[in-house]
Parts: sequence; structure tokens; C-alpha cells
Amino acid sequence: NAGVTQTPKFQVLKTGQSMTLQCAQDMNHNSMYWYRQDPGMGLRLIYYSASEGTTDKGEVPNGYNVSRLNKREFSLRLESAAPSQTSVYFCASSETSGEKQYFGPGTRLTVT
Amino acid sequence: DQQVKQNSPSLSVQEGRISILNCDYTNSMFDYFLWYKKYPAEGPTFLISISSIKDKNEDGRFTVFLNKSAKHLSLHIVPSQPGDSAVYFCAAQINFGNEKLTFGTGTRLTIIP
Repeated sequence: NAGVTQTPKFQVLKTGQSMTLQCAQDMNHNSMYWYRQDPGMGLRLIYYSASEGTTDKGEVPNGYNVSRLNKREFSLRLESAAPSQTSVYFCASSETSGEKQYFGPGTRLTVT
Repeated sequence: DQQVKQNSPSLSVQEGRISILNCDYTNSMFDYFLWYKKYPAEGPTFLISISSIKDKNEDGRFTVFLNKSAKHLSLHIVPSQPGDSAVYFCAAQINFGNEKLTFGTGTRLTIIP
């Protein structure tokens, strides 16, 4: 069991470039989440998917889009990266909404 | 507006002693609370939780206390071990089953051998 995997681990983008962060879980969980962690801010929810086929905005959704590709995979897309999106991004999953969440190892993104 | 606050960014404790990590919240609608532990270059891992209908929950060396009237919770680790050195996040939910977790800013715990 790999749990929650994220790719890539590190990425450097120039302002205006686009990229997709990939996340997959092998625990047959229904719910998946994307968070960002900034210094002094804790983790903040960007988007979540309570079940396959549904997505909803979290606390800080602006500048991001998501796709729940299937039950296993939940991707996060930055269409036009900005320096303010420099952060560490965590994907998480849970059996159902509200259950304890299992986190991936994170993607460290730098936008210059 | 930080609804979940961890006012101590760091804490150092001697091995074998008690570690007490504190968390305050402002939203009285929160009724389920969780603690996560995070090692460098890894994602957070769930540690322990407590519902607002309880004032204490224990799991081995870890105990979480909830004081609803003070909007305060604390995590006690007894005895502290070197492997406990990590960043600890407090998180809160409005209604168990709600997808949205609100996290605190974290406390870095260092256990001194």
C-alpha cells in the first residue's frame, strides 16, 4: 500500500506558466482534498472532492482548478502561475467526508 | 482571521518529561478536533481526535483535553521520546462529517535527549 502519492516532489515555474499536480490514493477512499501550506499560515483547503464526480471550493480556490479523474486520482491545475502560489501543496484522502485524512508527502512549488 | 490558533511556534522538552501543546479556537461552532503530527519532508499524519461531547481522550502516551467554555484544547505526551520531535497541528471541524478542516499554524516540538 503506497497510501497517497503526489508528483512531482519539486517544481519551479516562471510566472504565467501552467502545470498540473497529480495525486493518487490506493486506499479506495471516497473523499480527496488539496491543501497548501505557507509559513505561519497552517494548512489551508484549496478544493475537495467528497466523492467521485463532485468537486467543491475550499478556503483559497482562486487561481486553481481541479479534476477528480476517477476514484483514485485528483489533480490540481495552475493555469497561470503567480509568485503568490509559491507554497507546499498537500493532497489528502479520507474514507468518507469528515473522517481522518491521510496525507501525501507534498509538492514544493516555487514560482519566480 | 485565524480561527484556530497555536500561539507557541516552538517548544523544547527533556526526554521522559511531559510535553503539553496548546490550541485555542474562536469559532464556537467547532465540535470536533484533531491533532496531526508532521515530520520534515512528509505529509501530516493523524494522531488523535476528540468530540465536543467529551473532555478527554487518551491513546497510549497521547491525551487530548478539551475545555469548551475556554475554547481551548491541549495535547499531552507522556513520557516524551526523541521520535516525538515534529511539528504538531491542531485542526477543527464544524460537525463531524464536514469536509472542511481548519488548521492551526503548528507548534514545533523538540525533545532533548
